[in-house]
Amino acid sequence: DIVLTQSPALAVSLGQRATISCRASQSVSISRYNLMHWYQQKPGQQPKLLIYRASNLASGIPARFSGSGSGTDFTLTINPVQADDIATYYCQQSRESPTWTFGGGTKLELK
Amino acid sequence: EVQLVESGGGLVQPGRSLKLSCAASGFTFSNYYMAWVRQAPTKGLEWVASITNSGGSTYYRDSVKGRFTISRDNAKSTLYLQMDSLRSEDTATYYCTRETSYMGMDAWGQGASVTVSS
Repeated sequence: DIVLTQSPALAVSLGQRATISCRASQSVSISRYNLMHWYQQKPGQQPKLLIYRASNLASGIPARFSGSGSGTDFTLTINPVQADDIATYYCQQSRESPTWTFGGGTKLELK
Repeated sequence: EVQLVESGGGLVQPGRSLKLSCAASGFTFSNYYMAWVRQAPTKGLEWVASITNSGGSTYYRDSVKGRFTISRDNAKSTLYLQMDSLRSEDTATYYCTRETSYMGMDAWGQGASVTVSS
C-alpha cells in the first residue's frame, strides 16, 4: 500500500505564503497523470476537494490555492493565507484506485 | 446542485449492526463510483469502501472486510453501508463521497456519526 506522509502542523502569518508537503512511499503518477489530490477540512465540517491531479483547481476554489509535484513529492501552496484558510489539509492518492489512502493531515495554524 | 445526505448513524453496542444510507441528488447517480470515508474522533480521514457505478464490484479496507458491505440502489439514487460485528474502533463520522480516480472525491455528505460502546 502507498503511504502518504505529511507534517502534522504548520504555523503561518496572515498574508504570507503557506507551503504544505506530502510525500508518497512510491510514485503516484501514471503516464502524464499525477494522481494526488488535496482536501481542506474545517472543524465540524466535511472535507472539501481543493486540488485534483496535483495541480488542477477544483470548482469554486480561489486562485490563491495551487498545487504542484510529480512522482512521490507534492506541494499545496496557499498565497496569501487568509483567516478563512485556517483548517486541516489532507493529501490523497488514487494511484491504487479503487483503494484510496490519505495522508495524516497538516493543521494550518496562525503564527 | 450536487447533494449527498447521510442517515442511520447512532449509538450501538459492540458486536451489533447498523446500516447507513446516503441519498444522492443533483447528478446522475448511476454514472459514478461511490465511496464511504470515515474519521474517528480527533483523527484523520480513512477510506472504508468503494463501489462501481453499476454495483457489480466492491472494494474494502482490510479492517472492515467480512464485516461491512457497501451497496447501492441506482433507481433510488441511494448508497448504503451495512456494518456488522461492530467494534469500538469503528466509532467515527462516516462520510458518503462521490469518487473518480482522476478527479478525486469531489462531493461529500455532511457525515453520519457512529458510536460503538456498551
